[in-house]
Amino acid sequence: AQRVTQPEKLLSVFKGAPVELKCNYSYSGSPELFWYVQYSRQRLQLLLRHISRESIKGFTADLNKGETSFHLKKPFAQEEDSAMYYCALSGYNQGGKLIFGQGTELSVKP
Amino acid sequence: GAVVSQHPSRVICKSGTSVKIECRSLDFQATTMFWYRQFPKQSLMLMATSNEGSKATYEQGVEKDKFLINHASLTLSTLTVTSAHPEDSSFYICSARDPATGLDTIYFGEGSWLTVV
Repeated sequence: AQRVTQPEKLLSVFKGAPVELKCNYSYSGSPELFWYVQYSRQRLQLLLRHISRESIKGFTADLNKGETSFHLKKPFAQEEDSAMYYCALSGYNQGGKLIFGQGTELSVKP
Repeated sequence: GAVVSQHPSRVICKSGTSVKIECRSLDFQATTMFWYRQFPKQSLMLMATSNEGSKATYEQGVEKDKFLINHASLTLSTLTVTSAHPEDSSFYICSARDPATGLDTIYFGEGSWLTVV
């Protein structure tokens, strides 16, 4: 079964602290993994995906197929990072159909 | 740039009535659109895949007679909540992918808040 699990509903850190948002997945095949961010009162937007292996706004995520994980990391959190973060997966040739995790609310305190 | 637009952004309807939500792809044609439902600070649950010119594909547990989806053109999909009840109150989001590009071009609408009173 296809599933994305984000175990933390809320993650609260202080500004400048490292942050790691956990994501584990279950998929029979080779999925594409994504992180989406939803700032308050704004639409969902793509943060990064595992294929591109790039860093966006200081965030990185590495796909670990052995542990079926795709944790999102940032070494120094900023207040403007406060938002809802969703891990999602899509199978190849699924045309954009995404399965989302439960979401983690990141709160960065000053 | 490519944008997906939803209308209305907020709607209140009486219990028992039907309400239609539109999802439009701007600047690109989308043969496939997706409808999600989201409860506050919870995950997006995929409801159905809207296919241009053919029937929508519904996820398990989603009532197709209650959530009617029509994808009559390459830029418009509509979700009609029929005989709405208070438990249908939710945030509905659509997405579309620009087929000319890859998976990093899945665009989301701004969402539509439905309140059934």
